[in-house]
Amino acid sequence: AQSVTQPDIHITVSEGASLELRCNYSYGATPYLFWYVQSPGQGLQLLLKYFSGDTLVQGIKGFEAEFKRSQSSFNLRKPSVHWSDAAEYFCAVGATGGSYIPTFGRGTSLIVHP
Amino acid sequence: KAGVTQTPRYLIKTRGQQVTLSCSPISGHRSVSWYQQTPGQGLQFLFEYFSETQRNKGNFPGRFSGRQFSNSRSEMNVSTLELGDSALYLCASSLAGQVTDTQYFGPGTRLTVL
Repeated sequence: AQSVTQPDIHITVSEGASLELRCNYSYGATPYLFWYVQSPGQGLQLLLKYFSGDTLVQGIKGFEAEFKRSQSSFNLRKPSVHWSDAAEYFCAVGATGGSYIPTFGRGTSLIVHP
Repeated sequence: KAGVTQTPRYLIKTRGQQVTLSCSPISGHRSVSWYQQTPGQGLQFLFEYFSETQRNKGNFPGRFSGRQFSNSRSEMNVSTLELGDSALYLCASSLAGQVTDTQYFGPGTRLTVL
C-alpha cells in the first residue's frame, strides 16, 4: 500500500528566507508525486507534479521539488518565501497508470513571519 | 472558465439526519472525485465518478454514497449522520480522472454534525 509522510507539522520561516518542506513516500514502483497548497477556507491547488524524467520539477508560484529515489523523498523548496505563501501544504502519491486515487500526507502548516 | 463550485459552503445537521452536497465541475471535465478532510484523519479519498458511473471507491461505510448526472454534476449523500462525519468535504474535477490529469478542487462544504 502507498503512504506519504510529512514529518513537519508546522514550519515557521521569515519572509525572504528559503523554504524546504519534507515529504517521504512509500510505494512499490516509481510513483506519481504531487504537491498541493491549501489556503484557509479554500480547496487544494496543485503546485507541481512528478511523473518521470528530470527529477527537479518546477511548479507555480516559484516552487520546485526534487525527486530522490534513493531517499524515497520529494521535498518542496522555494528560494525566497513571501507572506502570501502562508498556508497548508500537502504531499500526495498516486499509483502509476489508471485512475487517480491519491494518498495524501497529513500536511505541513507554513507560518511566515514578517 | 468557471472553477469547481460546491454548494452549500456550510451546513449544520444533527445526528441521524442525512445530507446531500453538490458539486459542479469545470466545463468539459467528466471526472468528479470527493474527499473528506478532518483534523484527525487528514485528507481521504471517498469516491470518483466518471460518465455517471462510480469508478473508484475509498474505504468508507455505505452511508456515504454519490451519483453523477449526465452534465457531470455530482452529488454526495451521507445518511444517518454521526458526529465523526463533521468535516470539510472537497470535490475535485478533471478531464478524465487519470493520474496524469490535473485535478481542480472546489472550496469545499464545511459540514458540522451536532
